[in-house]
Amino acid sequence: QTVVTQEPSLSVSPGGTVTLTCGLSSGSVSTGYYPSWYQQTPGQAPRTLIYSTNTRSSGVPDRFSGSILGNKAALTITGAQADDESDYYCVLYMGSGIRVFGGGTKLTVL
Amino acid sequence: QVQLVESGGGVVQPGGSLRLSCAASGFTFSTYAMHWVRQAPGKGLEWVAVISYDGSLKYCADSVKGRFTISRDNSKNTLYLQMNSLRAEDTAVHYCARGDTVGAAHYYYMDVWGKGTTVTVSS
Repeated sequence: QTVVTQEPSLSVSPGGTVTLTCGLSSGSVSTGYYPSWYQQTPGQAPRTLIYSTNTRSSGVPDRFSGSILGNKAALTITGAQADDESDYYCVLYMGSGIRVFGGGTKLTVL
Repeated sequence: QVQLVESGGGVVQPGGSLRLSCAASGFTFSTYAMHWVRQAPGKGLEWVAVISYDGSLKYCADSVKGRFTISRDNSKNTLYLQMNSLRAEDTAVHYCARGDTVGAAHYYYMDVWGKGTTVTVSS
């Protein structure tokens, strides 16, 4: 069974840049997996950030960007702000209607 | 405005059943695929199931296959999740989320989320 992998935790300084990645336990992530990214703060519903690799969802600031880096999908936050401190999840489309979430990355801004 | 409101959560004994509902408003419900996503306490998000805009296609995660059934009533703008043979590991906040719209390119993502309803499986 393929597992979607994310860094368990990362930290970034205010104003800094950080890249979160989304990989596969076996194989490479490509645009054909339609990677999407979601932000969640404790006790809140998820918020959609990025879909189809690099398209920002409505209202998402342009300091959030998506890409494919090497064999993984990536979410880059440029000019991190204090309220970016959240959990971030990627989702990959595995085909045959199946989606799989990564385990999530807890981002600390300090 | 676009809104999804889940209901039907509660406490149920292992082996029991529960039906969740998700009332949609502010958009043409019958033209969008819909998803259920859940989150166990202190854990990450888990995709549960998706149903096509007209209900003709349904897919679910292996963890719920044979126990959970996703359905919809487009005349009532409502999404459902029938959960049978519940286990302790099904304890979670269950979110409904809007998916792709019919007739447009497929992006296989979820763009609008409800606030969730909590299911607790315990004796």
